[in-house]
Amino acid sequence: GESVGLHLPTLSVQEGDNSIINCAYSNSASDYFIWYKQESGKGPQFIIDIRSNMDKRQGQRVTVLLNKTVKHLSLQIAATQPGDSAVYFCAENIEGYSSASKIIFGSGTRLSIRP
Amino acid sequence: GAVVSQHPSWVICKSGTSVKIECRSLDFQATTMFWYRQFPKQSLMLMATSNEGSKATYEQGVEKDKFLINHASLTLSTLTVTSAHPEDSSFYICSAPDIMRTADTQYFGPGTRLTVL
Repeated sequence: GESVGLHLPTLSVQEGDNSIINCAYSNSASDYFIWYKQESGKGPQFIIDIRSNMDKRQGQRVTVLLNKTVKHLSLQIAATQPGDSAVYFCAENIEGYSSASKIIFGSGTRLSIRP
Repeated sequence: GAVVSQHPSWVICKSGTSVKIECRSLDFQATTMFWYRQFPKQSLMLMATSNEGSKATYEQGVEKDKFLINHASLTLSTLTVTSAHPEDSSFYICSAPDIMRTADTQYFGPGTRLTVL
């Protein structure tokens, strides 16, 4: 069935370095993608989103890249900090812009920061 | 931003009992809410879509008679796990879109940890 998945289950990064988290999706009709951060015991927290008519979007210290040709998403975190330690999920809105759109989550990548 | 709350934040119950989890949108109205389940070290799995004033829509493989959903008002959805068993122990998370802001942005609750003994 349709799915959103990740290449790496864990990622260890030196504090201050940049982090890159990758994600593959399989539904070519998807037109909206979101990255979430989840800290232990908490609900997901919105980080950044991107629509399919864009290939790059930047936020504060984060950048999302979308390659529709190979159905690939990435999240780049600049100057990674200890507070960035969490599990990161890419997610896919499978019904476009309607109010009843469902968000389907990928498998997640745990980001750990080395001091 | 919009806030979604859940109650309780954690619950422990005996096998065979039923547990109700509430999801509230605190500063916006939500005609639709979503319920997810997350097992340890796994992703969030969508269980069902809660629709105000009508029946919930369940994802494939989710037992509607076991996971009862009621969307009683524009700010409250409840998930009742009936005859809970240890395998139902999980982290249950709800979300809701604030369509007055952006229809496709979901706001997530803090989750409810259910432990069935």
